[in-house]
Amino acid sequence: DVKVTQSSRYLVKRTGEKVFLECVQDMDHENMFWYRQDPGLGLRLIYFSYDVKMKEKGDIPEGYSVSREKKERFSLILESASTNQTSMYLCASSLFLWGGRGSTEAFFGQGTRLTVV
Amino acid sequence: AQRVTQPEKLLSVFKGAPVELKCNYSYSGSPELFWYVQYSRQRLQLLLRHISRESIKGFTADLNKGETSFHLKKPFAQEEDSAMYYCALRGYGQNFVFGPGTRLSVLP
Repeated sequence: DVKVTQSSRYLVKRTGEKVFLECVQDMDHENMFWYRQDPGLGLRLIYFSYDVKMKEKGDIPEGYSVSREKKERFSLILESASTNQTSMYLCASSLFLWGGRGSTEAFFGQGTRLTVV
Repeated sequence: AQRVTQPEKLLSVFKGAPVELKCNYSYSGSPELFWYVQYSRQRLQLLLRHISRESIKGFTADLNKGETSFHLKKPFAQEEDSAMYYCALRGYGQNFVFGPGTRLSVLP
């Protein structure tokens, strides 16, 4: 089974703190993603990475950064947490498809519920 | 642009009734379409994908390119089907685009 593991299920942080969310996958997937899940808005892509040290902005990158130093690990960083970043954060991984062709699915972690107070 | 819409935020049906969760997409080429499900306190998981053309847990979904739809159907809903359902597509590149989700509630 593909395992995508997020380091924390619940986090409570104060406004202005620097926050690190960690994600590890064990299936040698090239692609890793960070989504934010909010009621009525579904999953919105924050950042994704298709290789070590490579990253692409998603739909809502403002206020976030990412780090991918090793293939299996993808970190989401909130440089200065704000209350509007209170949300559920989901990490996912998938195979890289050359030329965008072929079939793959995204495998998800259990989620980290972040509360910023 | 790639976009997925799910018009119903909440769908309530009685046990044994048919259920249809609607999904429409915007994409100019041939996307790969998925349905993901999230049961209470569980992680998001793949339910089915259009290229497999299979039935999972009694659910089926047909890709209609003319109507750009990928509706999820089940003839007889069960209480254990109560969950959040997300339609998603993979089109250009590597990432996945998700709809806003529909919460299905199956009443006894």
